Amino acid sequence: QSALTQPASVSGSPGQSVTISCTGSSSDVGAYNFVSWYQQYPGKVPKLIIHDVSERPSGVSNRFSGSKSGNTASLTISGLQVEDEGDYYCSSYAGSSTLIFGGGTKLTVL
Amino acid sequence: EVQLVESGGGLVQPGGSLRLSCAASGFPFSGYWMHWVRQGPGKGLVWVSVINHDGSHTSYADSVKGRFTFSRDNAKNTLYLQMNSLRAEDTAVYYCARAGSDWKIDSWGQGTLVTVSS
Repeated sequence: QSALTQPASVSGSPGQSVTISCTGSSSDVGAYNFVSWYQQYPGKVPKLIIHDVSERPSGVSNRFSGSKSGNTASLTISGLQVEDEGDYYCSSYAGSSTLIFGGGTKLTVL
Repeated sequence: EVQLVESGGGLVQPGGSLRLSCAASGFPFSGYWMHWVRQGPGKGLVWVSVINHDGSHTSYADSVKGRFTFSRDNAKNTLYLQMNSLRAEDTAVYYCARAGSDWKIDSWGQGTLVTVSS
C-alpha cells in the first residue's frame, strides 16, 4: 500500500496549462478506471474535481481535465488562474476494498 | 445539504486509545459506504478505512490494521473509529467522508485532530 507517486510541486503562469502526473502500478491505477483528483487549499477540506479518470462533477470548471495511460493518470489544468494555487491529490481504487492516495502536488501560480 | 461532523479527537499518550465519532445528516446515511481519511501535519491525505452501508464489511490500511476498528450505527446516523495502541505516527486530522460510486469521495467532514504524544 505505497502511496501513488506525484511530483512534489509544479508551477505555471496565469493562462498557461500544467499537468500533474500520478503514477501507480498494474494493481491500482493500471487496473481500474477509478481514479479521482482532489483540490485542497491550506487549512481547508479536500474537494473532488475529477472522478472516474476524466469525469468532472457538476460545478467544476472545464479547465480541469483528467486522463490515464497505463499505470499513470494525469490532471491537466488549462488557462491557469491564481485561484488554482493549492494542493492536488490523486486517488485510485487498489482492489480488495482499499483506496490509495498520491503524495500530493503543490501547484504554484507564478 | 450533506453534513459530516467529526468529534472525539484530542491528545493521547502513545499506547493509548481514542474513539472518534462522525455524525451524518442531509442524505440517506444507511445507503452509503463511508471512509476515514487522515492527514498528518503538513503531510498528504492517507486513506484509513472504509465501511459498507450496513457495517457488515470493513477494510483497513495496513498501517492501522489490527489497531483500528470502524463501525456504524445507522439508527443514529453515526460512524465510529475505535483507535487502540496509538503511535506518534497516528497524529493527524481525521476526516470522515462519504463514498460516492466508483470509489470517489464526494463529501468530507471538517476533521478532528488526534495528537499522540507523551
